[in-house]
Amino acid sequence: AQSVSQHNHHVILSEAASLELGCNYSYGGTVNLFWYVQYPGQHLQLLLKYFSGDPLVKGIKGFEAEFIKSKFSFNLRKPSVQWSDTAEYFCAVNEGGSARQLTFGSGTQLTVLP
Amino acid sequence: GAVVSQHPSRVICKSGTSVKIECRSLDFQATTMFWYRQFPKKSLMLMATSNEGSKATYEQGVEKDKFLINHASLTLSTLTVTSAHPEDSSFYICSAPPGLAGSFSYNEQFFGPGTRLTVL
Repeated sequence: AQSVSQHNHHVILSEAASLELGCNYSYGGTVNLFWYVQYPGQHLQLLLKYFSGDPLVKGIKGFEAEFIKSKFSFNLRKPSVQWSDTAEYFCAVNEGGSARQLTFGSGTQLTVLP
Repeated sequence: GAVVSQHPSRVICKSGTSVKIECRSLDFQATTMFWYRQFPKKSLMLMATSNEGSKATYEQGVEKDKFLINHASLTLSTLTVTSAHPEDSSFYICSAPPGLAGSFSYNEQFFGPGTRLTVL
């Protein structure tokens, strides 16, 4: 069975600081990788996704993530965070090839101080 | 992107009553929909996979007689929490992949806004 680990439960940064949120998964086969964001009181929104190809993927709002297959990792990055990035971030995985239910990490709460 | 709606957004009910939550894909057809449950400060846990035209597939530990799922059409799935108890209070979220099974877009999912259930 798949599992997804997000090691940072709560990250607090000042505006303009750089962000990196870790995500590791356990599954030996082909995977699809996602980062979702949940702003306070809102529903999950897709930040970015990786299916295949260039392992460095760019998403919305200046976020990017790098898939490192050898490390089973898909870390999320942003060079300069804003107060509006305060939210819960979820890494998710499903098996490649066809739709499968997503397995979510435990989430990381990001708080950006103005 | 594709839009998924849920109704109601919030419901409060008495213990022992049943509550129905609807999940609709507004601008695409979904042969599959997923139901998740999210506890406060916790991640999303898959409850079941709703399949149009066939029975839902439940995850281990989820009571199928308590959480009834009906995928009535290609745009609607319903989750009925029967004989609700306070421990069923939670945030229920559905998602749906656009496109047909096997297509590239089927790998992605779009999420509904969630339904906050409070059982008194």
